[in-house]
Amino acid sequence: RKEVEQDPGPFNVPEGATVAFNCTYSNSASQSFFWYRQDCRKEPKLLMSVYSSGNEDGRFTAQLNRASQYISLLIRDSKLSDSATYLCVVNHRDDKIIFGKGTRLHILP
Amino acid sequence: DAGITQSPRYKITETGRQVTLMCHQTWSHSYMFWYRQDLGHGLRLIYYSAAADITDKGEVPDGYVVSRSKTENFPLTLESATRSQTSVYFCASSESGGNNQPQHFGDGTRLSIL
Repeated sequence: RKEVEQDPGPFNVPEGATVAFNCTYSNSASQSFFWYRQDCRKEPKLLMSVYSSGNEDGRFTAQLNRASQYISLLIRDSKLSDSATYLCVVNHRDDKIIFGKGTRLHILP
Repeated sequence: DAGITQSPRYKITETGRQVTLMCHQTWSHSYMFWYRQDLGHGLRLIYYSAAADITDKGEVPDGYVVSRSKTENFPLTLESATRSQTSVYFCASSESGGNNQPQHFGDGTRLSIL
C-alpha cells in the first residue's frame, strides 16, 4: 500500500451538489492529518486539520476513520470557487509528513 | 504579516549553472522545508531543517544544497543545474516538525533549466 493515496479524479460536479473524497494512509501510527487545497500554479493552502472526532468548517467536513485508515473531505453546496486540487497530508512517522498527489475537483456551472 | 516569501518567482538558467532560491519567513517557525512539484509526482521533499544549523535530507536531495544560518532564512542551491531540475519549488515552514502543526507555503519559484 502506498504511504498516502488519493483518487486523482477529476471529479466533475454540478454547482450546488455535495461531493466527497477519501485519502487512505498506510501507517496506523499516523497522528496528524490535514486537507490542503491547491489552485492551478499556486501554492498549497491549508484548508483544515482533521480531528479524531471529525470537524466542520462551514460547508466543509473532515473525518478520520482510524480503523480503515482513511480521512475524508465532504463539501456541501459546492461553489465554482471550490474547483481546485485537494491534497491530503498525513504525519507518517516521527516528523515525516507525506503529501498525497491530490484529487482534482471541477465544479460545473 | 509578511509570512513566508520566496524569490525569485521565476528563473530561467542554463545547464551547469549554480542557482540559489531564497526563502524567508517572519513567523520565527522552527521548521522549514523545500519541496519540488512535478506533474505525476506531487510534492516531493528535498530538504528540511528543524532549527538553525540543523538540516536533513528529504526524499530527493541529490543535486541540491541547503543552509540555515538564521532561523528566518532557508536558501536552496542547485550547485550545477540539470534539465531534470526544471520544476516548481515551494518553501514551507511550520512551528514544529510533526504532530498537529500544519505547514505554510510560499508562492513558489518556477525554475526552468535550458
